[in-house]
Amino acid sequence: DTGVSQDPRHKITKRGQNVTFRCDPISEHNRLYWYRQTLGQGPEFLTYFQNEAQLEKSRLLSDRFSAERPKGSFSTLEIQRTEQGDSAMYLCASSSRLAQETQYFGPGTRLLVL
Amino acid sequence: AQSVTQLDSQVPVFEEAPVELRCNYSSSVSVYLFWYVQYPNQGLQLLLKYLSGSTLVESINGFEAEFNKSQTSFHLRKPSVHISDTAEYFCAVSDEGFQKLVFGTGTRLLVSP
Repeated sequence: DTGVSQDPRHKITKRGQNVTFRCDPISEHNRLYWYRQTLGQGPEFLTYFQNEAQLEKSRLLSDRFSAERPKGSFSTLEIQRTEQGDSAMYLCASSSRLAQETQYFGPGTRLLVL
Repeated sequence: AQSVTQLDSQVPVFEEAPVELRCNYSSSVSVYLFWYVQYPNQGLQLLLKYLSGSTLVESINGFEAEFNKSQTSFHLRKPSVHISDTAEYFCAVSDEGFQKLVFGTGTRLLVSP
């Protein structure tokens, strides 16, 4: 069990560029969650998947954001036409079928939009 | 809608002193409550959780939290803190389906010698 991993750990981009983040959950965890955390705030829910199905999306997830989990394993979060307000830490978490209440978090991807 | 309030953004305390980090929640449905800890430069880790049963839950490193339905609270306590407890602590609430966690804004615990 290597834990939840996220790549990259840091990303600096210019406004208007597209960025994509990857999350690898703990093996055989069927649920995968994305959160966003800005400075001085707690994590805010963005979306979650059960296997490959995206079951809920927050209204925070504007149409510039898209998430996929094509084979029910890793997931990607893409932000198109980035804005300075997208600067944040993007967190991924996963949970297992037998203990869905316990979410295990990855180290996060810190995005800075210049 | 569910929400969590952590009134204290920062709690300074001396080593070996007791500490309480406050958490109040709002929910119209059954609640499941969590405390997560974030050490410097590390990811969020689950500290303890309340799902049902005994209202007092404990962690392996000496923290405890008590679910109080009448006061809608889930305060975190430790009778004697260590320097290594310095971290940010987040209270969170979940719905019955565990579809998402709603977090508070966090409390930074600063333990000094």
